[in-house]
Amino acid sequence: AQRVTQPEKLLSVFKGAPVELKCNYSYSGSPELFWYVQYSRQRLQLLLRHISRESIKGFTADLNKGETSFHLKKPFAQEEDSAMYYCALPLGLGNTPLVFGKGTRLSVIA
Amino acid sequence: DAGVTQSPTHLIKTRGQHVTLRCSPISGHKSVSWYQQVLGQGPQFIFQYYEKEERGRGNFPDRFSARQFPNYSSELNVNALLLGDSALYLCASSLMGRANTEAFFGQGTRLTVV
Repeated sequence: AQRVTQPEKLLSVFKGAPVELKCNYSYSGSPELFWYVQYSRQRLQLLLRHISRESIKGFTADLNKGETSFHLKKPFAQEEDSAMYYCALPLGLGNTPLVFGKGTRLSVIA
Repeated sequence: DAGVTQSPTHLIKTRGQHVTLRCSPISGHKSVSWYQQVLGQGPQFIFQYYEKEERGRGNFPDRFSARQFPNYSSELNVNALLLGDSALYLCASSLMGRANTEAFFGQGTRLTVV
């Protein structure tokens, strides 16, 4: 069954330090992976998806099929990056509901 | 466009009661999904609807039901409420039939069962 594991509940880093939020998955087939973010008092929103291979707000994520990982990285953390981050993948092919990890709370300390 | 809207924002119910949550998708979106988010967990899939038909169901008891209307809005119903049903209920809309489609979430309905 599809599963997403985010091993860290809380990650605290200093402003300007590198950030890596870990995500491991189990999926039968070629996965489509997403990172969603929820800032304080805002709704859950898409941050980036692996198929786009783009950098959003300085964040990137590389799919590593060998390690079944999709870690989210940013070289220099900013205070406004403090939020709840969720890794997710579809239950099946195409437009299907998502399976989410438990989330990691990123706290960037000034 | 106001995005996905959900009502009510907060709700308090007593054990055994029934509750109806409502969701209006983004204009043009034909797919609506419902998720339950318990404190400290990620959202968990409950139902997906497309063109008024159920397209998927998560591992939830039959006390949970949903439907989608001709205008693509949706309702989630929960009967015989239990304390464990206390959670944030999220609705997400998306364009169906496109791979890798982004899901747009509402602000959620916070349900408290006492």
